[in-house]
Amino acid sequence: GAVVSQHPSWVICKSGTSVKIECRSLDFQATTMFWYRQFPKQSLMLMATSNEGSKATYEQGVEKDKFLINHASLTLSTLTVTSAHPEDSSFYICSEQGWVNEQFFGPGTRLTVL
Amino acid sequence: RKEVEQDPGPFNVPEGATVAFNCTYSNSASQSFFWYRQDCRKEPKLLMSVYSSGNEDGRFTAQLNRASQYISLLIRDSKLSDSATYLCVVNYGGATNKLIFGTGTLLAVQP
Repeated sequence: GAVVSQHPSWVICKSGTSVKIECRSLDFQATTMFWYRQFPKQSLMLMATSNEGSKATYEQGVEKDKFLINHASLTLSTLTVTSAHPEDSSFYICSEQGWVNEQFFGPGTRLTVL
Repeated sequence: RKEVEQDPGPFNVPEGATVAFNCTYSNSASQSFFWYRQDCRKEPKLLMSVYSSGNEDGRFTAQLNRASQYISLLIRDSKLSDSATYLCVVNYGGATNKLIFGTGTLLAVQP
């Protein structure tokens, strides 16, 4: 399957700061990547679909001005959590699509906002 | 009704046991189905796709019943290393590539 990396793997920040998470496709040219978050003991929830060269498509209830997504190249998508608050603490995971609708996930970024 | 429903478990089974997980989905337009495995504090990893004819990969067998909107996963000869959360995942259907995740079934294989 596809190989996806994420950086950083974990981050602790103060409330009010912004955090950028990078997602890289190491073996595909990914025109579409996906961003999810997962709260403890819950399932993955899709936040947005990141489209190379165009605006991301956000899921209902996800604030596009708070979660900024940039997909400037075929191998890199970034998610910036702006003015982070403790309720944004979560496990953020990106993915890219394989050949037949399956998705391959990066290792995730664990964000803790103090 | 949740879009993808799974029994959360936990399923506690001894090594060597056979265990079956079930999953139902609500969107009849869904076209692709998968089982993923997620270890604690890790990302999900694709275990297998699920096809209408059923498919097998070693000790793992997946079945799909479109009429009942039901998916299953059977694990034979359980190993300690099979302990994980198993996620039932369904493609949203239509032109979208979005995946909908079940909340997962926790499996604990005991020595």
